[in-house]
Amino acid sequence: SQQGEEDPQALSIQEGENATMNCSYKTSINNLQWYRQNSGRGLVHLILIRSNEREKHSGRLRVTLDTSKKSSSLLITASRAADTASYFCATDSNAGNMLTFGGGTRLMVKP
Amino acid sequence: KAGVTQTPRYLIKTRGQQVTLSCSPISGHRSVSWYQQTPGQGLQFLFEYFSETQRNKGNFPGRFSGRQFSNSRSEMNVSTLELGDSALYLCASRASGSLGANVLTFGAGSRLTVL
Repeated sequence: SQQGEEDPQALSIQEGENATMNCSYKTSINNLQWYRQNSGRGLVHLILIRSNEREKHSGRLRVTLDTSKKSSSLLITASRAADTASYFCATDSNAGNMLTFGGGTRLMVKP
Repeated sequence: KAGVTQTPRYLIKTRGQQVTLSCSPISGHRSVSWYQQTPGQGLQFLFEYFSETQRNKGNFPGRFSGRQFSNSRSEMNVSTLELGDSALYLCASRASGSLGANVLTFGAGSRLTVL
């Protein structure tokens, strides 16, 4: 079963705008990751934030984590048409070597 | 370095048949995981193998099985196919000892359609 939910389910913005996606989860975690998926293909790892971190940056990506609220957000700044994809958060708990994925946010960036 | 390779990429089966999907992990990766992705249920964990041993299994019926070979290549099998088994099956590999972080590298997936 899915760990939590992502919000919004779909997001449409213009190129150059920022995109923010939110993820909520249910159980305690070791870390939280964000993955990207293009058109039903494989997922690509974007960024990982550990449970003792509050914010992390990687290029145009910024991830925040609030363990008290069991939530995370992914911000993509200055979006490009090539950022059009589905974005998934995934949590890594103590339940073995498995990730539990959220439902995903479909992002469309219009040129 | 070659990525995770899954074969076949697309296949069509009929109800009651069985299917075998193959996954070759990144060279040196000993952990292989399988996930099922459907529009209704999203991404769900199937199982994980490490050094030919199943370490973890998701909440799927016994029709879903897998194995891993000594070269870390993995196969998953679904028997007595049902319409609901139509999905994208994703394989992912992970480097052991990656500081406890379960960062996965995914293959492109095998899209199974059951008619």
